[in-house]
Amino acid sequence: AQTVTQSQPEMSVQEAETVTLSCTYDTSESDYYLFWYKQPPSRQMILVIRQEAYKQQNATENRFSVNFQKAAKSFSLKISDSQLGDAAMYFCAYRSAGTSGTYKYIFGTGTRLKVLA
Amino acid sequence: NAGVTQTPKFQVLKTGQSMTLQCAQDMNHNSMYWYRQDPGMGLRLIYYSASEGTTDKGEVPNGYNVSRLNKREFSLRLESAAPSQTSVYFCASRTTGVNNQPQHFGDGTRLSIL
Repeated sequence: AQTVTQSQPEMSVQEAETVTLSCTYDTSESDYYLFWYKQPPSRQMILVIRQEAYKQQNATENRFSVNFQKAAKSFSLKISDSQLGDAAMYFCAYRSAGTSGTYKYIFGTGTRLKVLA
Repeated sequence: NAGVTQTPKFQVLKTGQSMTLQCAQDMNHNSMYWYRQDPGMGLRLIYYSASEGTTDKGEVPNGYNVSRLNKREFSLRLESAAPSQTSVYFCASRTTGVNNQPQHFGDGTRLSIL
């Protein structure tokens, strides 16, 4: 069975600085997808970034980028130029590849990010 | 542009009461999911529905039932609520047929069982 581990329950970053959130996963599959979701105090779950395992190039979305190390089964999220609005809980998620809805998501336990003014 | 709508947003129940949480999506998604979120546990899958007419157990299905009423709606029922079911419940949906599409989440239902 697949597992997702986020070893940092809480992180802090100074506004305008850069922070990296860690995520590791375990799987025997070769094809899968990885996601980072953000959950602000409003409780919404907002997709931040996604990565296809078959792509070697790391995904980027504006100030958000990932460092995907497939061999090490690591998927960290880097937030550059941190803003107060980035303060939230961040969840790493894994999903097997395939088009069927039977492919379930596995979520990590989350990292709470605090942004200091 | 509603997306995934959950009702109610908050509910307090007494132990033993029953309750149905409603979820509807307007994105024509095939797959729908129910999660619970507890402190330090992340999101855990309760039940999911790969397509209209099908439902399957997730990681923590005990004490719950679901109904995929039609393509839009996927309800979660607590037949006899227990304090251990105090949690925040999220419904999500996803299109299938395109591999890398993420789940879209509702805003959650905060449920307290006294």
